[in-house]
Amino acid sequence: DAGVTQSPTHLIKTRGQQVTLRCSPKSGHDTVSWYQQALGQGPQFIFQYYEEEERQRGNFPDRFSGHQFPNYSSELNVNALLLGDSALYLCASSLGLAITDTQYFGPGTRLTVL
Amino acid sequence: GNSVTQMEGPVTLSEEAFLTINCTYTATGYPSLFWYVQYPGEGLQLLLKATKADDKGSNKGFEATYRKETTSFHLEKGSVQVSDSAVYFCALSGGQTGANNLFFGTGTRLTVIP
Repeated sequence: DAGVTQSPTHLIKTRGQQVTLRCSPKSGHDTVSWYQQALGQGPQFIFQYYEEEERQRGNFPDRFSGHQFPNYSSELNVNALLLGDSALYLCASSLGLAITDTQYFGPGTRLTVL
Repeated sequence: GNSVTQMEGPVTLSEEAFLTINCTYTATGYPSLFWYVQYPGEGLQLLLKATKADDKGSNKGFEATYRKETTSFHLEKGSVQVSDSAVYFCALSGGQTGANNLFFGTGTRLTVIP
């Protein structure tokens, strides 16, 4: 049973560039959420996708956008990168939207913006 | 809004010592509560959860009880091992948003020495 997978593992970009991160949910899961984890901090919720639509969004600017595909995989896009976007980006999947559902996390993508 | 306040770290304990990591939350309604653990070099893993008041979550010798009267979900373990060294995150979902995205505390780093 494959868990949540993310690619790439590491990424280095320069300010102003754009980046796309990818996530495949755990087998059987249909909901994908993205989180940003700055060094030494807890993860912060970016947004959540279900049925190919953005369902919830955290306090992140429009430079952060996403997409969910029919196979439930998802992409996170960040435009006009800032130094402060350097962080570990985590993808989590769950089955449905119930608050009792457990979210399973991938290993993350480490983004460094120079 | 929803928030989680977690005991400041780092915490250093000797093997077989008793562990308590405090967690309190702010949320309306009936959130679900979680403890996640992040071992060195690994992704976030669910440690335990509780979905209603007075529920006790337990796993791998760790326990936490959902106390609505004190809005707390403290993590405890009777005898820690070196292998428990990790960062522990308290989190909630639901509350006023009714959504299952997670709000995390800042994390508590635990180091267990032989």
